[in-house]
Amino acid sequence: DIQMTQSPSSLSASVGDRVTITCRASQSISTYLNWYQQKPGKAPKLLIYVVSTLQSGVPSRFSGSGSGTDFTLTISSLQPEDFATYYCQQSYSTLRTFGQGTKVEIK
Amino acid sequence: QVQLQESGPGLVKPSETLSLTCTVSGGSISSYYWSWIRQPPGKGLEWIGYIYYSGSTNYNPSLKSRVTISVDTSKNQFSLKLTSVTAADTALYYCAREVGRENYPTHYSFDYWGQGTLVTVSS
Repeated sequence: DIQMTQSPSSLSASVGDRVTITCRASQSISTYLNWYQQKPGKAPKLLIYVVSTLQSGVPSRFSGSGSGTDFTLTISSLQPEDFATYYCQQSYSTLRTFGQGTKVEIK
Repeated sequence: QVQLQESGPGLVKPSETLSLTCTVSGGSISSYYWSWIRQPPGKGLEWIGYIYYSGSTNYNPSLKSRVTISVDTSKNQFSLKLTSVTAADTALYYCAREVGRENYPTHYSFDYWGQGTLVTVSS
């Protein structure tokens, strides 16, 4: 299995803050990396695919970068609607795996 | 707009079989991969497996011995069966569409999800 490890597991931030979440793969996954946002009681929502391409309708304050084993999701200016849990996911392997999630909470 | 809707019993007894169906509307089930993903209460996401519209499947090895995913293209539905369930199988079960991209055809991501259905395993 390819293990996906996110850090931090949770963070507290204020509206307007720049937030960065890291995702590390246990082996190289090239650019087969996606990011999802999940709000309480809702299904995950695709934010970013192929490391850095924003899904249609996703605000430009979200961005992604990385390749190989190390990836980041950045929110340039945190908005009230961004408080949620974020998951990275790899599709390099036919066994799809997710990170454990990063919960972004209000400070 | 593609929509996915899970359906099935919300309560299953230990050792019995969990059966769920995902109905796809607003688009055809053809030409895509369709997955089941679950999330135990308060925990993260676990991919269970996928089926291609043609019927080929791929399962998570940790569940492979107990999982069957099937598709009915005439009804635009795909289904999950998980046998010999225990309390550890209690989770919110999602169905999702997996899509490749025009410029990156092998880079798949889950672009449409159902709302999820909670399945509790208890006697």
